[in-house]
Amino acid sequence: ETGVTQTPRHLVMGMTNKKSLKCEQHLGHNAMYWYKQSAKKPLELMFVYSLEERVENNSVPSRFSPECPNSSLLNLHLHALQPEDSALYLCASSQEDLAGETQYFGPGTRLLVL
Amino acid sequence: GQNIDQPTEMTATEGAIVQINCTYQTSGFNGLFWYQQHAGEAPTFLSYNVLDGLEEKGRFSSFLSRSKGYSYLLLKELQMKDSASYLCAPRGYNKLIFGAGTRLAVHP
Repeated sequence: ETGVTQTPRHLVMGMTNKKSLKCEQHLGHNAMYWYKQSAKKPLELMFVYSLEERVENNSVPSRFSPECPNSSLLNLHLHALQPEDSALYLCASSQEDLAGETQYFGPGTRLLVL
Repeated sequence: GQNIDQPTEMTATEGAIVQINCTYQTSGFNGLFWYQQHAGEAPTFLSYNVLDGLEEKGRFSSFLSRSKGYSYLLLKELQMKDSASYLCAPRGYNKLIFGAGTRLAVHP
């Protein structure tokens, strides 16, 4: 399944590092999402981009900064993270004008903050 | 408020049938999704219900009752590869709200 790709798949970073997570969707969708999944917790929606504009920001700390260069790409810039930010970060995309609007997920980036 | 309730864990035997229940409360309702997530992997879409009733798709079926805020996922002829987490996700006004998932273990 290569509809939504994410890089890197694994990332270890210190609390003073700056890194970026990248997501690309090849499905022609017009909406993209970032989710955080911590162990034994529900998926938490972080950001939603629709037609390249941010439409949702779920009270996410400013150390997470999203960027949508075009409708196929979504980045998440990370700076000064905390150990509790260690989690699986999932990107998803959907076509907003379709009934049902199914979200398709990428494989995720497993992040460890030391 | 918004709340999704589904069992944390279930076990079943290969070849059997299992039903995973989900109750929900959301601000607005625009359908309900079920996703399957194997350990360490991304969630994959299983089913979508927007009207009351049963939707059947091969070995998997999903049921919805909007008046009761209730859905279930029915898995028939269980296989070992069905061991995974199953996520109930109703759609509110403008976003999906995910439950914590039900971890299903299928034993020989």
